[in-house]
Amino acid sequence: RKEVEQDPGPFNVPEGATVAFNCTYSNSASQSFFWYRQDCRKEPKLLMSVYSSGNEDGRFTAQLNRASQYISLLIRDSKLSDSATYLCVVRRSSYKLIFGSGTRLLVRP
Amino acid sequence: DVKVTQSSRYLVKRTGEKVFLECVQDMDHENMFWYRQDPGLGLRLIYFSYDVKMKEKGDIPEGYSVSREKKERFSLILESASTNQTSMYLCASTEASSYEQYFGPGTRLTVT
Repeated sequence: RKEVEQDPGPFNVPEGATVAFNCTYSNSASQSFFWYRQDCRKEPKLLMSVYSSGNEDGRFTAQLNRASQYISLLIRDSKLSDSATYLCVVRRSSYKLIFGSGTRLLVRP
Repeated sequence: DVKVTQSSRYLVKRTGEKVFLECVQDMDHENMFWYRQDPGLGLRLIYFSYDVKMKEKGDIPEGYSVSREKKERFSLILESASTNQTSMYLCASTEASSYEQYFGPGTRLTVT
């Protein structure tokens, strides 16, 4: 079983839609949580950290449920430029990040 | 802006060749990492370094070695390339006190 599991998608949504991705992690000792974004043929970049109380950054909302060991990302009012792969990332120790294999989002006109 | 550069975007090597992948960062970051990314498997950590000449094995170090002689440069070495090492290789760096990793553009290595 993978330490971080994501639905690979693709999620195919129209512009303006709201879309949500979930991610589950297996190690209850995981310490920090992140969402990274990876555009096609590009490197991953940090989208946002995920805090226990939930946090919002513009159209993006991230939530953490430690009891159920899952993390979510909600995107409101989807734009064409949101099309990318979203990587769920868990910090296992001081240096080590564990990456999920990603959820692909396609936003169509 | 943090810049992480990798020596090649695309590389084709033959089985058994010794391969060097170079990574340079310009932000004086203490930590540097080498990952490989394969479809359906995500990014997997090969090695990381938290200081010059210091290194630790990641989750899949077999068949690889690393070198960090200067703070800004972290090299990944495939001693004898094999076809199962065909992959996208990504280098990353981060400050000691931060968890945000900055990635290079990647090297797509094909071993034939």
